[in-house]
Amino acid sequence: ETGVTQTPRHLVMGMTNKKSLKCEQHLGHNAMYWYKQSAKKPLELMFVYSLEERVENNSVPSRFSPECPNSSHLFLHLHTLQPEDSALYLCASSRGLAGEATGELFFGEGSRLTVL
Amino acid sequence: AQKITQTQPGMFVQEKEAVTLDCTYDTSDPSYGLFWYKQPSSGEMIFLIYQGSYDQQNATEGRYSLNFQKARKSANLVISASQLGDSAMYFCAMRGRTSYGKLTFGQGTILTVHP
Repeated sequence: ETGVTQTPRHLVMGMTNKKSLKCEQHLGHNAMYWYKQSAKKPLELMFVYSLEERVENNSVPSRFSPECPNSSHLFLHLHTLQPEDSALYLCASSRGLAGEATGELFFGEGSRLTVL
Repeated sequence: AQKITQTQPGMFVQEKEAVTLDCTYDTSDPSYGLFWYKQPSSGEMIFLIYQGSYDQQNATEGRYSLNFQKARKSANLVISASQLGDSAMYFCAMRGRTSYGKLTFGQGTILTVHP
């Protein structure tokens, strides 16, 4: 069992649907992240949460809405997406945010999203 | 701003041989960390090795070593004694002291290990 679990692993949705991606970390970490991995592009940071508070929002369209109800869970709510939003969405966690206390990021296996 | 460049889209290596994956970086942060991750076809990003910008020695983790040349701003990953299971995408990443834990990734290098 990995320390960071993402569900669903695969999701196909239409442009008018509303769906959510879920991430759960079992590592006791305080920071969680959403990254987007599109084909032939570097991973792009979308959101950063520290102790359930959002500390960074990287100019992500409002059709992506994150939620962090506690330090172990992170959601990405999706609505009225576009075909170009099709990508692998990776969740990650780390011990903290600042300096050496951050440690490495631990990633989940990702949720492969296809928007038709 | 931070930038990571991986100039090798794909690399091939024979099983049991060593391979070097290139990574150069650019940052204005005086203190930063460099990471290598492996991403197999399953999608999960697996942490391999870390090098701090003030570390005096190159980092090593088992068969992985990081050839850190600060003046050249390079952080190449060396995999010794390649195994078939090493076939995957490899990403170089960095984090600055002020970047709130977020990583900046390179484009990645696909490594294929031949038997």
